[in-house]
Amino acid sequence: QKEVEQNSGPLSVPEGAIASLNCTYSDRGSQSFFWYRQYSGKSPELIMFIYSNGDKEDGRFTAQLNKASQYVSLLIRDSQPSDSATYLCAVNKRDYKLSFGAGTTVTVRA
Amino acid sequence: GAVVSQHPSWVICKSGTSVKIECRSLDFQATTMFWYRQFPKQSLMLMATSNEGSKATYEQGVEKDKFLINHASLTLSTLTVTSAHPEDSSFYICSAKVYRGNSPLHFGNGTRLTVT
Repeated sequence: QKEVEQNSGPLSVPEGAIASLNCTYSDRGSQSFFWYRQYSGKSPELIMFIYSNGDKEDGRFTAQLNKASQYVSLLIRDSQPSDSATYLCAVNKRDYKLSFGAGTTVTVRA
Repeated sequence: GAVVSQHPSWVICKSGTSVKIECRSLDFQATTMFWYRQFPKQSLMLMATSNEGSKATYEQGVEKDKFLINHASLTLSTLTVTSAHPEDSSFYICSAKVYRGNSPLHFGNGTRLTVT
């Protein structure tokens, strides 16, 4: 079982729609969770982090965490063409090293 | 804040030569830095953890004699790919945390290494 699993996509959404990305993790002891955006050929940039169960909103982005289900998601509202990228889910393991999912590629259609 | 600078951004070298990549934390001190490698259309794989003033710790399967890491100061870590071969061609990215523990990683811009 992979430590962090994501649907690889591609996820195609029309401009202005909501993009929903999902991530599951295997280590029940994980404490912190991150979403990174990576444009092709570039390094990842941090979008959101969440530590507690529930929702956390930041602009057009909402992260949702359910530790009981070992599930974390990212919603992108009012999707823009500039949101087209690969989104990486990352989980802090017990040794505080980050484990990354394979990423979900999102394409926003104008 | 939390800027990580990596140099060079790309390098082409011949098989058998060595390449050094520098990673600097510009506005914070990083006692620990992390080196990742990413092959095309794959996710980031942690190679090693660089600890200031002590030996790096390598992930399973990563050759410590091939990927030399030096973390001589609180703001600089270097990765040297020794005797590079075409299969070492990849995107190498360094990262650091401002705070220990559960805080997020901040990434450098990455180095695209091509070995011919």
